[in-house]
Amino acid sequence: DIQMTQSPSSLSASVGDRVAITCRASQSIIKYLNWYQQKPGKAPTLLIYGASNLQRGVPSRFSGSGSATEFTLTINSLQPEDFATYYCQQTYSPPLTFGPGTKVDRK
Amino acid sequence: EVQLVESGGELIQPGESLRLSCAASGITVTSSSMTWVRQAPGAGLEWVSVIYADGRTFYGDSVKGRFTISKDNSRNALVLQMDRLRVDDTAMYYCARLLTAPGTMGLDYWGQGTPVTVSS
Repeated sequence: DIQMTQSPSSLSASVGDRVAITCRASQSIIKYLNWYQQKPGKAPTLLIYGASNLQRGVPSRFSGSGSATEFTLTINSLQPEDFATYYCQQTYSPPLTFGPGTKVDRK
Repeated sequence: EVQLVESGGELIQPGESLRLSCAASGITVTSSSMTWVRQAPGAGLEWVSVIYADGRTFYGDSVKGRFTISKDNSRNALVLQMDRLRVDDTAMYYCARLLTAPGTMGLDYWGQGTPVTVSS
């Protein structure tokens, strides 16, 4: 099974900051890597699919990069509505594992 | 507009069975790949199961042999049959559509979730 890790597990930031979250896979997943945002009490929403493709309706301040085993989600100019938990997920091979999540809160 | 609406979650005793449904509108479940994802209280997301458009099914290790994913084509719904439930199956259960595009797949539509509590 492919294991996913994320770093950091949490971070504190201010509105306007640039934030980067890293996701690593235990083996190559090519570009089968997705990023989700989840707010408390809500279902997750897809931000980025295929490592770098912005899902329809997602603001352009979100971007994804990487391939093989290392991936990054970047949020440029953090907005108040971006305080949330972010998860990566690989869809290269079942089980379609999620990373443990990164909580972004206010500094 | 795509909508996924889960139902069937409830308080149930260990060892019993439960059947979750996910009614879809705006997509055809028969021709879609669909997944179940769960989230225990205060925990992260855990992938549970997938049924691909070609009918192949896969399960997470923690539910393999106890849960069964299927499609109800007559109702345009996804189903999760959960048997021999355990206390650690307690979670919010979400269904989601697995978007498939050349070289990539992502969960693009999610339901609001249905809560399952396993407790004596």
